[in-house]
Amino acid sequence: SQQGEEDPQALSIQEGENATMNCSYKTSINNLQWYRQNSGRGLVHLILIRSNEREKHSGRLRVTLDTSKKSSSLLITASRAADTASYFCASIQGAQKLVFGQGTRLTINP
Amino acid sequence: KAGVTQTPRYLIKTRGQQVTLSCSPISGHRSVSWYQQTPGQGLQFLFEYFSETQRNKGNFPGRFSGRQFSNSRSEMNVSTLELGDSALYLCASSYTSEALGEQFFGPGTRLTVL
Repeated sequence: SQQGEEDPQALSIQEGENATMNCSYKTSINNLQWYRQNSGRGLVHLILIRSNEREKHSGRLRVTLDTSKKSSSLLITASRAADTASYFCASIQGAQKLVFGQGTRLTINP
Repeated sequence: KAGVTQTPRYLIKTRGQQVTLSCSPISGHRSVSWYQQTPGQGLQFLFEYFSETQRNKGNFPGRFSGRQFSNSRSEMNVSTLELGDSALYLCASSYTSEALGEQFFGPGTRLTVL
């Protein structure tokens, strides 16, 4: 079963707009990670936020973590066509088990 | 450094057969994890190996097995294939020895069971 639940399942926006995706999880975490997957390919790591961090930035990406609500959000600013992909949050269960959410399919329209 | 490589990239098998998939991690990475991705179940953790030892296992039947060699390369085997085993199988490697950090994924092996 998937621990993380992404919201929305699909998102379609215009190029240049910001995209926000949310992730909820059920159990305590050590860290939470976000990954991107282009159609049918391997996943690419975007950002890792530790349980004692509340916000983290990487280029056009901003991730927040609220451990009291067991939720995280990924914001992509100034979206580009190349950002079209599926985005997954993943949390660590125990020490060595990464559990993924169902993902958000993001489409950037030119 | 070369990325994670997986072979073969595509595979077609029939029910009842067995299959072996291979994964070569990034040089220096000692942790290798395997995942199954299907449209219905999403990404599911299969198992993780570190220094030839399986440290964690997902909720899959015993038909799914794996191993890791001394050079960190890993293989997973699925015996008595079922239609539902059709999926993209992803391998990921990591440098850390403790709690998993950033995972580097390979391109995957797409298995089709007929």
